[in-house]
Amino acid sequence: NAGVTQTPKFQVLKTGQSMTLQCAQDMNHNSMYWYRQDPGMGLRLIYYSASEGTTDKGEVPNGYNVSRLNKREFSLRLESAAPSQTSVYFCASRTSGGVVGEQFFGPGTRLTVL
Amino acid sequence: EDQVTQSPEALRLQEGESSSLNCSYTVSGLRGLFWYRQDPGKGPEFLFTLYSAGEEKEKERLKATLTKKESFLHITAPKPEDSATYLCAVQLYSGGGADGLTFGKGTHLIIQP
Repeated sequence: NAGVTQTPKFQVLKTGQSMTLQCAQDMNHNSMYWYRQDPGMGLRLIYYSASEGTTDKGEVPNGYNVSRLNKREFSLRLESAAPSQTSVYFCASRTSGGVVGEQFFGPGTRLTVL
Repeated sequence: EDQVTQSPEALRLQEGESSSLNCSYTVSGLRGLFWYRQDPGKGPEFLFTLYSAGEEKEKERLKATLTKKESFLHITAPKPEDSATYLCAVQLYSGGGADGLTFGKGTHLIIQP
């Protein structure tokens, strides 16, 4: 199993450009998440999807949109990138069943917005 | 406001020198507390889940414990390969269905040979 995979690994954008970060998991998990990690701050939840067909806002959703394409894939879109969105983005998925469970993280996408 | 605070921010130990990392939380309705390890340039790697006060989990040189207000990650006789950032996170009960984790800022641990 590859676990959680993310593409691309690195990306540089200019202010105002758009892009989509891709995430896929092969663990048959129902729930998937997008976090961002900034220096001096803990990981913060952007959006999550409790199951295929549903998405909900997390702590810092402004400037982002998401799509739960199917059970495996959960993408994060920046419609008009801003320098404040320079960050490392992590996708995660959670074991199915029950209300509590550990989340498994991908390797991250390092995004710089100039 | 719910908060997760980790201390110290950074810790430098000699190989074999045992110590503990702290994670204190002020949250209403804890479903679970999680410990992760993060190496530079990598995603967080799951270590432990703790559900209730008094619970303990062990894995090699690491042992995690939980009280009603804090958790400790004890590192016994650490080796240089234990060097990493250790993250603490909580999952909360939420009537709105929010399901994500709230993370602390982490403790950066360096084990010197």
